[in-house]
This record gives sequence, C-alpha cells and structure tokens, in this order.
Amino acid sequence: DAKTTQPTSMDCAEGRAANLPCNHSTISGNEYVYWYRQIHSQGPQYIIHGLKNNETNEMASLIITEDRKSSTLILPHATLRDTAVYYCIVRMEYGNKLVFGAGTILRVKS
Amino acid sequence: EAGVAQSPRYKIIEKRQSVAFWCNPISGHATLYWYQQILGQGPKLLIQFQNNGVVDDSQLPKDRFSAERLKGVDSTLKIQPAKLEDSAVYLCASSSGRHGSALFFGSGTQLSVL
Repeated sequence: DAKTTQPTSMDCAEGRAANLPCNHSTISGNEYVYWYRQIHSQGPQYIIHGLKNNETNEMASLIITEDRKSSTLILPHATLRDTAVYYCIVRMEYGNKLVFGAGTILRVKS
Repeated sequence: EAGVAQSPRYKIIEKRQSVAFWCNPISGHATLYWYQQILGQGPKLLIQFQNNGVVDDSQLPKDRFSAERLKGVDSTLKIQPAKLEDSAVYLCASSSGRHGSALFFGSGTQLSVL
C-alpha cells in the first residue's frame, strides 16, 4: 500500500471549514483514498473514501487532485465535536487491510 | 444497523496472566480484523480473517497471541502470557469485503498489564 504524509496537527475555528491535506504521491491506479477519524477513547470512525472523483457525504467532502497524488478532506462547518485524530489511508481495491499512520490532530476551538 | 460489538470494555491483569477479548462483527460481514493500538500511535493490524480463514497474521506475535473465528462470525483474541508491553487498546473491525467496502470499528478493549 502507498504511504501517506499528513501534517502532525492543525487548528480550526468553530463554524469554519476545516481543510485537512494528505499527500500520497506513490498511489497506484487501483488504490482508494480513505479517511477515518478517532475521537478519544473510541474506535476509528469511517468518514469517506474515493478513487478518482470528488466525493461528498453527510459528514465531509473529499477532493482528489487530477494526478491523484494528493487529497483534501473538508469538514464544511467544524464543531467542537470534530476535534479528533484524522487518518488518511491509501488502500488496495479489494478486501485489504487499512494501514494507519500517525494522522493529523485537528483541534477545533471556540 | 448494529455496529461491531466488543467486550470487555476494560481489563486489568498482571503480567504472565492470560486474557481473552471477544468481537461480534456487523451481520453479514465476511472480513474481520483485530488491531492493536498503543497510546499515541495509529492502530496496527494483528490478524485478518476472511470468513473463518486467516488471510494475514504476519504481525501477530504467535508465541503469545492467538485468535480464532468460529463459524465465520464471532471472534476471540487471546494473549497468554501477557507482558507489560501488551498494554494497549485492542480494536476489532469488520467489512463486507466487497469492492471498495469500508472497515467499521468497535469501541475497543483497553488492556492494562501491571
């Protein structure tokens, strides 16, 4: 699985959009980009994933660059409850494990 | 839809004792994973099952850790004997295994080895 690079930490003001970047320059054509988050004392929570196209769901939007070497997770209106560690993971297409890095600590401040 | 269930939520044991964790995946999910998460680190895969067969156990310390998935549903992870460095959160996850399917995690079991 391709490796990812994320900033160690980020701050965001409550009510503003949180934009979390991820670099995955060695991604191959059949690898998906997945985003999970982990709030203290809980298991990782699935947010969103995509292959080539931008994706949106009720939680977030995922923007993948045309060359697929980087992506951005967007939380449109961050709240205090979005404070968590956010993991960007590249994963093979079929039934494969998730390999977690250190992730980005997002702190949402009032 | 019920999520991944794990028990117990917390466990405290002394070194050299044995311990077992239980996981019930989401109904119909063929693939089950056990992860270990040490404080301050991302989760690390210990073992992956497809139905009741092992797909990947390359990171499982087989001299002390064992896992089984009877009938391809519930799973148990055992540590015998436990060491201080086994203190961690043990997470179970499941997925349908279909094209592009996500993993869904339980809340984990927090193990403290004294």
